[in-house]
Amino acid sequence: GESVGLHLPTLSVQEGDNSIINCAYSNSASDYFIWYKQESGKGPQFIIDIRSNMDKRQGQRVTVLLNKTVKHLSLQIAATQPGDSAVYFCAESAPPSKIIFGSGTRLSIRP
Amino acid sequence: GAGVSQSPRYKVAKRGQDVALRCDPISGHVSLFWYQQALGQGPEFLTYFQNEAQLDKSGLPSDRFFAERPEGSVSTLKIQRTQQEDSAVYLCASSLGQGARQPQHFGDGTRLSIL
Repeated sequence: GESVGLHLPTLSVQEGDNSIINCAYSNSASDYFIWYKQESGKGPQFIIDIRSNMDKRQGQRVTVLLNKTVKHLSLQIAATQPGDSAVYFCAESAPPSKIIFGSGTRLSIRP
Repeated sequence: GAGVSQSPRYKVAKRGQDVALRCDPISGHVSLFWYQQALGQGPEFLTYFQNEAQLDKSGLPSDRFFAERPEGSVSTLKIQRTQQEDSAVYLCASSLGQGARQPQHFGDGTRLSIL
């Protein structure tokens, strides 16, 4: 069936370094992908999205890369800060109305 | 504030009781979604409203779960005869346009504990 998964459940990064969080998806028909950040006790917060007609999109300190050939999505965070500590979810749309979330990667920052 | 508001933030109920969870979406948002999030997992889709119409309820786990959005704004998720496996965080999200191909704005959820 359709699924969105992550390669690593946890990621520890030195403060100031770049972080890369990876995600695999299985539905080749998916055409919209999103990254969310969730802090403890809070709801998911939208970070960045990308449509399937693009392979790269940049935001403020974040970049999302989409490789449709291998059905892989990644989130790059530049100059990681303590405030970036959270669980990160990738998600894909399952039209017309569903978003399917992965199980998440916990990002921790070492001082 | 202008975000999605959910109430209560925490709800404790005894097994067998009925509960009602409320969501106030961002004003003017057409789409409203409910999700269930188990501990350590990603949110799982429950149901979707476009204005007052419930267009997709395929994620509701049983007929004990019922959602409504009668005036196309506030929504209520009701769980009847609660069971322990219903314990989870219930998240509501809204978005400006129709469907799932757009960013969703989430509330902070209601943490439901069934004793």
